[in-house]
Amino acid sequence: NAGVTQTPKFRVLKTGQSMTLLCAQDMNHEYMYWYRQDPGMGLRLIHYSVGEGTTAKGEVPDGYNVSRLKKQNFLLGLESAAPSQTSVYFCASSYSMAGVYNEQFFGPGTRLTVL
Amino acid sequence: SQQGEEDPQALSIQEGENATMNCSYKTSINNLQWYRQNSGRGLVHLILIRSNEREKHSGRLRVTLDTSKKSSSLLITASRAADTASYFCATDGGYGGSQGNLIFGKGTKLSVKP
Repeated sequence: NAGVTQTPKFRVLKTGQSMTLLCAQDMNHEYMYWYRQDPGMGLRLIHYSVGEGTTAKGEVPDGYNVSRLKKQNFLLGLESAAPSQTSVYFCASSYSMAGVYNEQFFGPGTRLTVL
Repeated sequence: SQQGEEDPQALSIQEGENATMNCSYKTSINNLQWYRQNSGRGLVHLILIRSNEREKHSGRLRVTLDTSKKSSSLLITASRAADTASYFCATDGGYGGSQGNLIFGKGTKLSVKP
């Protein structure tokens, strides 16, 4: 099993450009999450999904959109990149059993620089 | 906003010593989790402790939870150079309600010198 994978690993954008980050998981998890991590900070939740076809906003959703068309994939889009979106982006997935939530499994991250 | 706050922010010890990190949080929780992050890598889950548990062990790791004080501690015994990493506590924060969302602290940076 590959677990959680993210593409690309690195990307440099110019202000105003758009891009999509792809997250894929092969563990059949219901829940998927997108976080950003800035220097010296913990992770902050951007958007999350509790199942195929559903998404919801997290703590810092502005400037980002997401889609979950397939259970195994969770896409994060930046429509018009800004320097403030320079960060490391992590995707995670998780599951619940009998209504009890469990640990999250993280991808390796995407390092994005917006010039 | 961050719910969990780790203390200390940085910790430097010698190999073989024990390392203790603390986490405080603000609101009631269902569970508290500890994660490790090696430099430039993704987070790896270490331990999950539920609100009705007081202590949990996993190998050289021991986690305690005091819900009355809204605090948790992570103890790493007999530390090794390979334990050098940042350690984060995370609580189920409730964006959108109880849907498993986590709120992370800023982490403790542990350095274990050989």
